[in-house]
Amino acid sequence: DTAVSQTPKYLVTQMGNDKSIKCEQNLGHDTMYWYKQDSKKFLKIMFSYNNKELIINETVPNRFSPKSPDKAHLNLHINSLELGDSAVYFCASSINTGELFFGEGSRLTVL
Amino acid sequence: EDQVTQSPEALRLQEGESSSLNCSYTVSGLRGLFWYRQDPGKGPEFLFTLYSAGEEKEKERLKATLTKKESFLHITAPKPEDSATYLCAVQAGNTGFQKLVFGTGTRLLVSP
Repeated sequence: DTAVSQTPKYLVTQMGNDKSIKCEQNLGHDTMYWYKQDSKKFLKIMFSYNNKELIINETVPNRFSPKSPDKAHLNLHINSLELGDSAVYFCASSINTGELFFGEGSRLTVL
Repeated sequence: EDQVTQSPEALRLQEGESSSLNCSYTVSGLRGLFWYRQDPGKGPEFLFTLYSAGEEKEKERLKATLTKKESFLHITAPKPEDSATYLCAVQAGNTGFQKLVFGTGTRLLVSP
């Protein structure tokens, strides 16, 4: 049973397109996150939700819109994709501690 | 601004050759320091949490220690399966657990 699953694993798209990544966790955690890992492996938080409520929005362009329909799901929609959006996006969850459970990542390539 | 610096960027060891990875941090009131392991193509996997200077945690061949300015991840007699990127992260006193600040990691390669 996968604890944190995200789909798709790979996305390749053209600049200007819109794309979505879905995430689900079956751990019963209250808090979910989106992190972005760039080509230098730097992992940076984008958003955090606690019980469907947005807690952290780390100066991410408003082309990125997270949505949490329930506490087990956190999706990420990206409008008007740019070259600089190419990265690996990780979903994670936790019980409000620093012990995060990460998904396997979604590698986005913008051409 | 909270910062985490890890060194070295990459480390190559022979199987059985012990060494240490360093994580230096600048944070306003450390609430927790975390070590994660990341395998290629996978998400980071939690290893340890350290809360105060002098604290140590161990797991198999890994031991994490914490001082007021840095943390070390000691690897004793490593095996090839210990090859991975090791990430350090901190949580500052003025934010919740929701915001961890990560370093860029140390890529460890252990050769048989």
